[in-house]
Amino acid sequence: GQQVMQIPQYQHVQEGEDFTTYCNSSTTLSNIQWYKQRPGGHPVFLIQLVKSGEVKKQKRLTFQFGEAKKNSSLHITATQTTDVGTYFCAATRLHNTNAGKSTFGDGTTLTVKP
Amino acid sequence: SQTIHQWPATLVQPVGSPLSLECTVEGTSNPNLYWYRQAAGRGLQLLFYSVGIGQISSEVPQNLSASRPQDRQFILSSKKLLLSDSGFYLCAWSVGTAGNTIYFGEGSWLTVV
Repeated sequence: GQQVMQIPQYQHVQEGEDFTTYCNSSTTLSNIQWYKQRPGGHPVFLIQLVKSGEVKKQKRLTFQFGEAKKNSSLHITATQTTDVGTYFCAATRLHNTNAGKSTFGDGTTLTVKP
Repeated sequence: SQTIHQWPATLVQPVGSPLSLECTVEGTSNPNLYWYRQAAGRGLQLLFYSVGIGQISSEVPQNLSASRPQDRQFILSSKKLLLSDSGFYLCAWSVGTAGNTIYFGEGSWLTVV
């Protein structure tokens, strides 16, 4: 099946430091989505990337889709305690867009020390 | 607007007992429906998905089953729970093809003792 590798598994940062999580696929993707799950909560959709090389920003969050559409990253500038949680990518393989065929990465859990 | 309801929120069940988790979606028609499981501190494991009434696809062999008796109702069941069934169960929905946004319910915490 489709493999989506997400790294790192855990990241501990001091408040104010930057944070990046990476999502990598061995196959070309149709699109990729990012979700955030707060501790004790459920995953919530953040953004979707579709185009090769696409970059989108949401305040301090920057999302990138690689030129080859095989990898993506989420970068948070100057982390705050409200950024804590687990960030998941969800990838859909090109030419395989049947429902149920999006694959979630294992997530990166971010903790922020005040 | 669309909403998703999932219940119960928490439950503690003895080994060997049955399980029924229920999920309903409002405000949309013919959604894709999903059941995910998340072990503590781990990723999301897709258990079942459904593209229509009576259409269930199983992703992982286990002692769980799913049913979709109505368009916007999805039920996760087990006849006999195992200790390893403990976890956080998430119902979710989407529309159209894969790659569209997946909307998750609040989740159900299951502890098998």
